[in-house]
Amino acid sequence: EVQLVESGGGLVQPGGSVKLSCATSGFIFSGSAMHWVRQASGKGLEWVGRIRSRVNNYATVYSESVKGRFTLSRDDSKSTAYLQMNSLKTEDTAVYYCIVEGLFDYWGQGTLVNVSS
Amino acid sequence: SYELTQPPSVSVSPGQTARITCSGDALPKKYAFWYQQKSGQVPVLVIYEDNKRPSGIPERFSGSSSGTMATLTISGAQVEDEADYYCYSTDSSGNLWVFGGGTKLTVL
Repeated sequence: EVQLVESGGGLVQPGGSVKLSCATSGFIFSGSAMHWVRQASGKGLEWVGRIRSRVNNYATVYSESVKGRFTLSRDDSKSTAYLQMNSLKTEDTAVYYCIVEGLFDYWGQGTLVNVSS
Repeated sequence: SYELTQPPSVSVSPGQTARITCSGDALPKKYAFWYQQKSGQVPVLVIYEDNKRPSGIPERFSGSSSGTMATLTISGAQVEDEADYYCYSTDSSGNLWVFGGGTKLTVL
């Protein structure tokens, strides 16, 4: 069974940093592209970025709203994806999810990042 | 940047057919995925690759795509189908992904 478990969220001050993790199981992580998605309270779903697999050189792409501030990475040996978030703004406050390209029916519970002073 | 456009709201009576549209320039060449999200819950995939239904999703949910528009159809909508619905797809390069703004479906 596919499982996705996001962690690492919490309260962060504006301008601060946090690194989220997405621990996975139940599928071939090393061959899968991973997406990150966020949702602010009462708002719609927003795509954050994608990291592809090793055969695609771990290529990353980001939404305009996070480009230059967020960095995606992965550790295939741990079947875990990461989202490094720097220069955080209050508008980055949201629940963050990771999802698997090709297995879009599986979602974790997400992790809440609250950017506030 | 790439955008997918959905109507903010759709309202139907129970038993009627609800249609939610999603417009995007790349949809003639890229698949649309549809999510249902009920209040306080994680999104649930109801249609993938334009018109395929995941296991466990009721048959009243169907999807289609023609030209630059994808459509989610709920035939015989039920009160429990009230939710926000989002389309999800990628731009022509296949790199940038985007959600539509979401459509609030009211069944009453």
